[in-house]
Formats: sequence, C-alpha cells, structure tokens
Amino acid sequence: DAGITQSPRHKVTETGTPVTLRCHQTENHRYMYWYRQDPGHGLRLIHYSYGVKDTDKGEVSDGYSVSRSKTEDFLLTLESATSSQTSVYFCAIRGDRGSNSPLHFGNGTRLTVT
Amino acid sequence: SQELEQSPQSLIVQEGKNLTINCTSSKTLYGLYWYKQKYGEGLIFLMMLQKGGEEKSHEKITAKLDEKKQQSSLHITASQPSHAGIYLCGADISTDMRFGAGTRLTVKP
Repeated sequence: DAGITQSPRHKVTETGTPVTLRCHQTENHRYMYWYRQDPGHGLRLIHYSYGVKDTDKGEVSDGYSVSRSKTEDFLLTLESATSSQTSVYFCAIRGDRGSNSPLHFGNGTRLTVT
Repeated sequence: SQELEQSPQSLIVQEGKNLTINCTSSKTLYGLYWYKQKYGEGLIFLMMLQKGGEEKSHEKITAKLDEKKQQSSLHITASQPSHAGIYLCGADISTDMRFGAGTRLTVKP
C-alpha cells in the first residue's frame, strides 16, 4: 500500500471554528489531492498540488484553503467550519507521470461539524 | 461527477453469480481507473485502462474499455462475499481525476 497517512481519522468540531486536516506521504510523489465524499455526490475534488507551494482549486474549493510547504505534507484548512462541510475527506497522491498513473488514497478523515 | 455515469447505482447478487458494472462518459476517455471501497476505508486501486479495446483481469474481476473509449465495464465472475463494497470509476478529465458516483455491491451468501 502507498504510504499515505491522514490525521486525524475522526474529528468533531463546532460551527465557526477553524479545522486543519493533514496528509502525509512517504512516496515522494509530486501530485497530492484533497477530495470530499458525500452520499449522492460521490468524490469531489477540493484542491490539488503539483509541487511544493504549487496548488490549484478543484470543483468544490469554496470555504477551503490548502498549503504545501514540503513534498510530503499537504494540509487542508477550513477557516470557519460550517455544517455543510460535514463529510469524509480523502487525500490522494499520484506519481510524476501524472495522468498516466493512478491515484492512491489515504484512509480518510471523518469530519462532523455541529 | 456528471462527467461519468455509473450503472447500476446498487446491485444485490447471490454468491456465485456473475455481474457487470458500467461507467459511461460523454467524452473520450484517456485513462480509465477502477477502484473499490469498503465501508469506512479508503479507495483501493484495481485497474487502469488506457487503450480502446483494452481488457485487464485481476483474479475474478475483468475490466474493459470499449473501442470508442467512452465506456468501460467491470465484470465479476462467480461473485463472493469478499467482492462486496462500492466500485468507482475514475477518469482524467481536464487537469485532474473525476469519479463516478459509485456502484454499491452486496453479495448474499
């Protein structure tokens, strides 16, 4: 299995509080991604990174920010959590070939915003 | 993702039966990926298809990308309880990978 660790695995937070989710990889892969998974919507891309300090928005980026200061770490921040951000968040990595290689996923972070 | 439509949304089969899951795109597919997800866990990569007509197998699971490269099928032969889970197709669309909504498979012993 690809070396991807997400932390925390579970979190409950209150509306309006900031939350940071961490993704750590040991594969030295260039590309990293944050997705959220919701019933009826499947997996939707939030943000992705194609290198240190290089990030871009996905299809559902509003309310989220990311940072990548090191190859191995990709942080997802909810500046002010809302109930609509209750979801399961998955981090994924991809090798340097990009579109000719699969994503490998972490085990997810279940976030509940009350 | 609206770019990828999966059918059926859910499937219940008796152990030992064969089944097929489809993934259809309105655009030509360049790189089609199949994943399996068990409840509470991440997605496990199964197979990648890139060429029209390409077919790959792993144990009792076979995936094929049609000649026109707009549809892929995942076929399971002689299903087992271990095959139960959610199967998702993914495809490189624009600059990133998008996914279908998934097919939930239940295998009854």
